[in-house]
Amino acid sequence: RKEVEQDPGPFNVPEGATVAFNCTYSNSASQSFFWYRQDCRKEPKLLMSVYSSGNEDGRFTAQLNRASQYISLLIRDSKLSDSATYLCVVTPSGGYNKLIFGAGTRLAVHP
Amino acid sequence: EAGVVQSPRYKIIEKKQPVAFWCNPISGHNTLYWYRQNLGQGPELLIRYENEEAVDDSQLPKDRFSAERLKGVDSTLKIQPAELGDSAVYLCASSLDMGPQHFGDGTRLSIL
Repeated sequence: RKEVEQDPGPFNVPEGATVAFNCTYSNSASQSFFWYRQDCRKEPKLLMSVYSSGNEDGRFTAQLNRASQYISLLIRDSKLSDSATYLCVVTPSGGYNKLIFGAGTRLAVHP
Repeated sequence: EAGVVQSPRYKIIEKKQPVAFWCNPISGHNTLYWYRQNLGQGPELLIRYENEEAVDDSQLPKDRFSAERLKGVDSTLKIQPAELGDSAVYLCASSLDMGPQHFGDGTRLSIL
């Protein structure tokens, strides 16, 4: 079983739609959680950290459920520019130094 | 601020040939990482340096892969000999201590 599992998608949604991605992790000792975004043939970039209390950044909302070892990302009012692969990332200890990536969920937003 | 610089951007070689990748981290970043990303997968850590010391190389296939960061700044990753299964994108990242990692554009390696 992979340490971080995601639905690979693709998710094909129209502009303006709300879309949610899920992620599960197997190591209950995981400490930090993130969502990264990766455009086609580009490097991964940090989208947002995920906190136990849940956090929001504009149209993006991230949630963490430690009991279920489950992370989610919600995108509201999807834009064409949101089309990318979204990578769920955990670290086994505090800090950013050992990132464990999921395989990513691909999102395609169409007009 | 200049980002992480990697070269070459693309490399095509025949199997059993050697290949090397180069990375220049963000100025002042003491921690450097090499990742491999296979098609349809997320990046996987190969090796992590703190200054010139390799502190985590548990995922580096040591029979054919080697890396160095002699002066604690730029780094090279080498594969010798390359195998078909080594086709992937090799990403370099850097950070200041345990801060956020910044990735380079990667080197896309194709083995014929």
